[in-house]
Parts: sequence; structure tokens; C-alpha cells
Amino acid sequence: TQLLEQSPQFLSIQEGENLTVYCNSSSVFSSLQWYRQEPGEGPVLLVTVVTGGEVKKLKRLTFQFGDARKDSSLHITAAQPGDTGLYLCAGNMNRDDKIIFGKGTRLHILP
Amino acid sequence: KAGVTQTPRYLIKTRGQQVTLSCSPISGHRSVSWYQQTPGQGLQFLFEYFSETQRNKGNFPGRFSGRQFSNSRSEMNVSTLELGDSALYLCASSPMGSNNGNQYFGPGTRLLVL
Repeated sequence: TQLLEQSPQFLSIQEGENLTVYCNSSSVFSSLQWYRQEPGEGPVLLVTVVTGGEVKKLKRLTFQFGDARKDSSLHITAAQPGDTGLYLCAGNMNRDDKIIFGKGTRLHILP
Repeated sequence: KAGVTQTPRYLIKTRGQQVTLSCSPISGHRSVSWYQQTPGQGLQFLFEYFSETQRNKGNFPGRFSGRQFSNSRSEMNVSTLELGDSALYLCASSPMGSNNGNQYFGPGTRLLVL
């Protein structure tokens, strides 16, 4: 059973379009993180959300943590080829628990 | 500050052999976590070390082991390699633990078992 489900698995869109990817669970998480991983490299942390309903912005990226702390979304405005990569969400249910990762959304932005 | 470094970057082994991977965390970070990444299972947590003590462990067989040295450098060992152990092995360091701060990942060691 995958505790963190990410959708879609794959997404290919044209440069300039907007997109949203999702990270869902039936469990409550104390915090969630979003990472981006490029080929041949390790994941790079983009943001951490800890409060239900929290919204964080990072340039063209907007992250939201669900009110019930069971889900999160990542919205990209005016996607650029540099946004291409594997987007991973991760979190821990309790403070002392290990971090759990979703399987990721592989995003490809076409120039 | 230098980032997390992992050695070697690539490794080819045969079934039944053993392998040791190394991870040097960011200076000042006391926590090192190890993950296995495969296309089918994604990123799976192996174990975390903090100040030379194993703090948390994932659901992997005993063939997977690790340790951390007093300078926070960490090694993981896989004995009696199986074909299914082929994967990208990532380590991540954080100042106070994976649950208490941001994790910084290394580039990984890609292991191929033939």
C-alpha cells in the first residue's frame, strides 16, 4: 500500500501552460515536503508545509497543504522547460517517524 | 559549503558479492539517511543515523546495514547481493534529523547487480 499517492504519474505539456500535480493520502501527516529530482542527481527540496491550509509560493510554483493535512498540491504557472523533472512529495505522520516518499510525477515541458 | 558527496557514483557487482557505499554529509550535519530508489518502488527509506546511532529503520532485510562514524560520515553495506538490489542509493544529510529539518541529498550511487 502506497501511503502517499501522486498523480498524475506522467505529464507532458507545452511551455507557457499551467499545471497542477497532487499528493494524496488517507493518513494525516505532520508535515509534507516537495522535491524536484533531475536525471543523474539527488532530489532537491523545494518547500516544507506544516500547517493545514498553508499556502507557500516559490516564484511560479504554489504549494498548498490540505486543511486536514492529508493532501497537498503543487501548481506551476507558465511552465518552462527548466521545470522538467521528477516531482516527489514526502512526509512523516508523526514527528519521530521515518520519512515516506510518493512515487513522483514525471513532468516534461515541451519548448 | 560543500554538498553531500557519495562514492562511488557507479558500481557493477555480481550476485552474491557484497558492496559498501560511502556518504559524506554537509559539514555540521549530524544526521544521515539512506534511501533506495527504483523505477517500480520509488524512493524507499533504508535507515537513519544520528550521532553514530541508528535512529530509524525501514523495512529492508538484514543484508542491508549501515554505520556512522564520529565525523558523521556514513557507510551502508549490502551483503549477498541479489539482482533486485540494482538501484540508485541516495543518502541525505540534515542538521538535526530528517524529521526536524530539511534534508539535502547527494547525487547517489547507481548500483547494477549482474
